[in-house]
Amino acid sequence: QVQLQESGPGLVKPSQTLSLTCAVSGASISSGGYSWSWIRQPPGKGLEWIGHIYYSGNTYYNPSLKSRVTISVDTSKNQFSLKLSSVTAADTAVYYCARITTYYMDVWGKGTTVTVSS
Amino acid sequence: SYELTQPPSVSVSPGQTASITCSGDKLGDKYVCWYQQKPGQSPVLVIYQDSKRPSGIPERFSGSNSGNTATLTISGTQAMDEADYYCQAWDSSTVIFGGGTKLTVL
Repeated sequence: QVQLQESGPGLVKPSQTLSLTCAVSGASISSGGYSWSWIRQPPGKGLEWIGHIYYSGNTYYNPSLKSRVTISVDTSKNQFSLKLSSVTAADTAVYYCARITTYYMDVWGKGTTVTVSS
Repeated sequence: SYELTQPPSVSVSPGQTASITCSGDKLGDKYVCWYQQKPGQSPVLVIYQDSKRPSGIPERFSGSNSGNTATLTISGTQAMDEADYYCQAWDSSTVIFGGGTKLTVL
């Protein structure tokens, strides 16, 4: 059974960089046919795709966040990561990681809440 | 940029059929999937590739996609189906979510 678990600081100061990690268990992140994604959901709002990465390292980002986002993969630890720079209060959200297969996200993490505040 | 539009809310009586729409330009040319999200929980895939149900999803959930509109249909709606529903599609290697629809069962 594939499971994803997000981890990282729950509080980040404005202008700093938000860093999160998604640990993958039950599957190899290096296996073909999948990509690995970050999605966020501000309080009381809808889902927003941040970006995704293939095990090869190819990345795709939401154009509205592209200048601030970096997604990377660590195959040795079977995990992938998100960095979002220059955060503001608008980046306060629940951040989810998910596995993508053939145009849909079939496995989601439980999500982690990140608050941007001084 | 590509957009998916959903009604903010839909209401249905228990046992009746609920239909939630998702509209976008030539959406029928793309694969659409649907997620169910209950308060405080992660989204759960309920329909993928327009009309396929993942294992464990009840048969009362079905989907269709044609023209500019995709539809999620819940037949014999139950109280447990009350949730937010999001459609999702792809456009040029980017993921697009609809704004979400709150389904109320009353």
